[in-house]
Amino acid sequence: QVTLRESGPALVKPTQTLTLTCTFAGFSPSTSGMGVTWIRQPPGKPLEWLAFIDWDDEKFYSTSLKTRLTISKDTSKNQVVLTMTNMDPADTATYFCARTIRYYSDSSGYYRGFYAMDIWGQGTTVTVSS
Amino acid sequence: EIVLTQSPGTLSLSPGESGTLSCRASQSFSSSYLAWYQQKPGQAPRLLIYGASNRAIGIPDRFSGSGSGTDFTLTISRLEPEDFAVYYCHQFGGSPPYTFGQGTKLEIK
Repeated sequence: QVTLRESGPALVKPTQTLTLTCTFAGFSPSTSGMGVTWIRQPPGKPLEWLAFIDWDDEKFYSTSLKTRLTISKDTSKNQVVLTMTNMDPADTATYFCARTIRYYSDSSGYYRGFYAMDIWGQGTTVTVSS
Repeated sequence: EIVLTQSPGTLSLSPGESGTLSCRASQSFSSSYLAWYQQKPGQAPRLLIYGASNRAIGIPDRFSGSGSGTDFTLTISRLEPEDFAVYYCHQFGGSPPYTFGQGTKLEIK
């Protein structure tokens, strides 16, 4: 069974660095075609895509947050970590991680595109306040 | 950056009716890269459709997706009470960032 669980501080102060951990089970993000995405959602607002790390450790970031974000994975611990520097009250949100599949190999050995986030964690809420 | 614009912002329908949600992109991309998600209050989003028209595992056939290029549609037939939620489209093609639309809220009329 594939599961993901986000963890991290519920409260951070402005200017601090946030570190969030996504602990996963039931799959390996080092499998060709797979990866993990971080998404956030401020209260009452839409989903915002933040960052993606794929199977060969290539990393992709939100344009507007690129200078503040770092995504990394530790397959020995089954974890993907997201750090966000210089936190601001506008960063108050629920942060989700999700298994992401770009492509997979079917039963016949053919690679098929998927390009979606099929399993999500339940999210962790972060409030930025002094 | 590809901007996804969803319409309408809110759709009011009754159970049993059908609804059509639109997702329009600022530039064309392969339909392989378009997905739809459903989110209920207090819950994580759930994948409904990938590759513009493929239902994810466990998604009932009253959900269908279509479209290509810059125009994509999610159709929900025979609305059930549990279908009232917020729906997001998402693109995962080409260069990042891999953006979401702003969502359509499907509410009970």
